[in-house]
Amino acid sequence: QKEVEQNSGPLSVPEGAIASLNCTYSDRGSQSFFWYRQYSGKSPELIMFIYSNGDKEDGRFTAQLNKASQYVSLLIRDSQPSDSATYLCAVIIGAQKLVFGQGTRLTINP
Amino acid sequence: SAVISQKPSRDICQRGTSLTIQCQVDSQVTMMFWYRQQPGQSLTLIATANQGSEATYESGFVIDKFPISRPNLTFSTLTVSNMSPEDSSIYLCSVEGGVVLPFGETQYFGPGTRLLVL
Repeated sequence: QKEVEQNSGPLSVPEGAIASLNCTYSDRGSQSFFWYRQYSGKSPELIMFIYSNGDKEDGRFTAQLNKASQYVSLLIRDSQPSDSATYLCAVIIGAQKLVFGQGTRLTINP
Repeated sequence: SAVISQKPSRDICQRGTSLTIQCQVDSQVTMMFWYRQQPGQSLTLIATANQGSEATYESGFVIDKFPISRPNLTFSTLTVSNMSPEDSSIYLCSVEGGVVLPFGETQYFGPGTRLLVL
């Protein structure tokens, strides 16, 4: 079982709709969770982090964490073509090791 | 967050040669990390570099292949030694900083070095 799993997609969403990205992790002791956005040819950019169960909102982005189900998600409201990118879920495992999922490629269709 | 730069931004190398990648940060940081992103893949941690101590390598990565230096709190180098086409990847350095969480800190990435080995 992979430590962090994501659906690789591609996920296609119409402009203005909600994009929902999901991630599961295997280490029940993990406490901190991250979403990075990576445009083609660019390095990952941190967009959200969460460490408490529930929802965390930042602008059009909402991160959701359910530790009992070992599940993290990212919602993007009012999706824009500029949101088209690969979204990487990452989890701190152990002391400081950041482990990434394989990423979900998101396409927003105008 | 810290501003991170990497040199070179890209390179094409011949097999059997070595390439040293530099990572410079605009502020002092305790830990620096080196990752590899193979074509179409996600990021894999190569090693963690603390100033004044030996780098800690992840499973599957060895010092002879990926020697790392960390001479001060703002600079690190990663060398990819005796390269083969399988080493063609993006190499990224990252640093902690910005937000201290209950467990760990947020990490930020440099722009990456795109390496093609022929």
